[in-house]
Amino acid sequence: AQSVTQLDSQVPVFEEAPVELRCNYSSSVSVYLFWYVQYPNQGLQLLLKYLSGSTLVKGINGFEAEFNKSQTSFHLRKPSVHISDTAEYFCAVSDINTGGFKTIFGAGTRLFVKA
Amino acid sequence: NAGVTQTPKFRILKIGQSMTLQCTQDMNHNYMYWYRQDPGMGLKLIYYSVGAGITDKGEVPNGYNVSRSTTEDFPLRLELAAPSQTSVYFCASSHGTVPSSYEQYFGPGTRLTVT
Repeated sequence: AQSVTQLDSQVPVFEEAPVELRCNYSSSVSVYLFWYVQYPNQGLQLLLKYLSGSTLVKGINGFEAEFNKSQTSFHLRKPSVHISDTAEYFCAVSDINTGGFKTIFGAGTRLFVKA
Repeated sequence: NAGVTQTPKFRILKIGQSMTLQCTQDMNHNYMYWYRQDPGMGLKLIYYSVGAGITDKGEVPNGYNVSRSTTEDFPLRLELAAPSQTSVYFCASSHGTVPSSYEQYFGPGTRLTVT
């Protein structure tokens, strides 16, 4: 069975500061990894994904994430945040053998960017 | 493309009533999903479908039913609504089994309150 742990439920940060949102996963099989963002009163949208290849993945809006297989982590980073980055961020994993329909989502991290 | 659309946006039900949450996608995606989102709990998969006429249970199917008569539509039926079904419901879709298509596209959600 797979599981996803997002280590921080809330992260307050000042505008233009760097931020890291942490995600650890556990799985007995190989996985694909995702970060989704949910803006207030909206559905989730894909920020970035790791399928294979380079462990550093770049996504939209200046976000990037690094896959660390030995530590089973997939932390999300941005060097300088904006007020508009205030949202909830979800880490997700999919078993590579199940066609994506067994995606497991973490509980979410609420990023709050202060002026 | 409208993407994934859901109706209604909001609904208040009395205990014991029934209702259907509608979901339509215009991307010709094979896979469709229903999730519920509760505060601090992330997303839990209720049901999913891998194509017209094929559905299967997810993690929390009790109290819900689905059907998939067309590729585009995937309605979720609540029978005998209970307060525990108060939640935000998201419909999502994805293309299929190719890893690059594992990304899920979400609708805007339906906020349901059962009193």
